[in-house]
Amino acid sequence: EDQVTQSPEALRLQEGESSSLNCSYTVSGLRGLFWYRQDPGKGPEFLFTLYSAGEEKEKERLKATLTKKESFLHITAPKPEDSATYLCAVQAYSGGYQKVTFGIGTKLQVIP
Amino acid sequence: DAGVIQSPRHEVTEMGQEVTLRCKPISGHDYLFWYRQTMMRGLELLIYFNNNVPIDDSGMPEDRFSAKMPNASFSTLKIQPSEPRDSAVYFCASSRGQGAAFFGQGTRLTVV
Repeated sequence: EDQVTQSPEALRLQEGESSSLNCSYTVSGLRGLFWYRQDPGKGPEFLFTLYSAGEEKEKERLKATLTKKESFLHITAPKPEDSATYLCAVQAYSGGYQKVTFGIGTKLQVIP
Repeated sequence: DAGVIQSPRHEVTEMGQEVTLRCKPISGHDYLFWYRQTMMRGLELLIYFNNNVPIDDSGMPEDRFSAKMPNASFSTLKIQPSEPRDSAVYFCASSRGQGAAFFGQGTRLTVV
C-alpha cells in the first residue's frame, strides 16, 4: 500500500527564519509528486509537480526537491502570508488505475 | 477560467436524509475526482472519472455513496441515507490528463 508521511505535523517560524518540510513516501511506480498549499476553509492550491529524482522547482520563496524516497519543500525567509497547511501527494499506477495518495500535511505558522 | 465550482458550500442535514453534492470541473479537463477530507484521515480519494466514465470507485466507503458524471461539465456525489460519520469536507477536483489536479472550494457537510 502506498504511504506518504509528512513531517513535522506543525511548524512555527519567525518571519525570515528559513526551514524545510519533509515528505517521505513508499510507492510502487511513482509517476509524480505534487505539493499543494491549503488555507483554512479553502481547497488545496497546486504549487509544484516533480517527476524524477534530482528535479527541483521554485516559486517565490518556495523550492521543492525530490529524491528517490522523499521530497523537501524549502521555505526561504518566510512571511506571515506563507502560513498555511502544505500537502504532499504521490501519483502512481496500480492495476491500470491512477492512484493519488495524500499526506496529512504540515501546518506552518509564520509569526511576524 | 472560474476554476472548479462546487455547491453547496455548506450543508447541514439530519441523519437518514439524502444529500447531493455538485461539481462543475474546469472546462477542457478530462479527469474528475471526488475527495473527502477529515482531521483524522486527511484527504481520501473516493472516486475518479475519465471522460465522464467512472474508472476507480474503490475509495467509496459504502453503497450509500454514489457518483455520476452525466456530461463533461457536471458531476454529483450522493449520500443516501446520510449518517453522522459522513460529516467531512468533500472536494471535487479536475485535471487535464494525468497532471496535477485543481480543487474546488469544497462542501462542508454536517450530518446531525
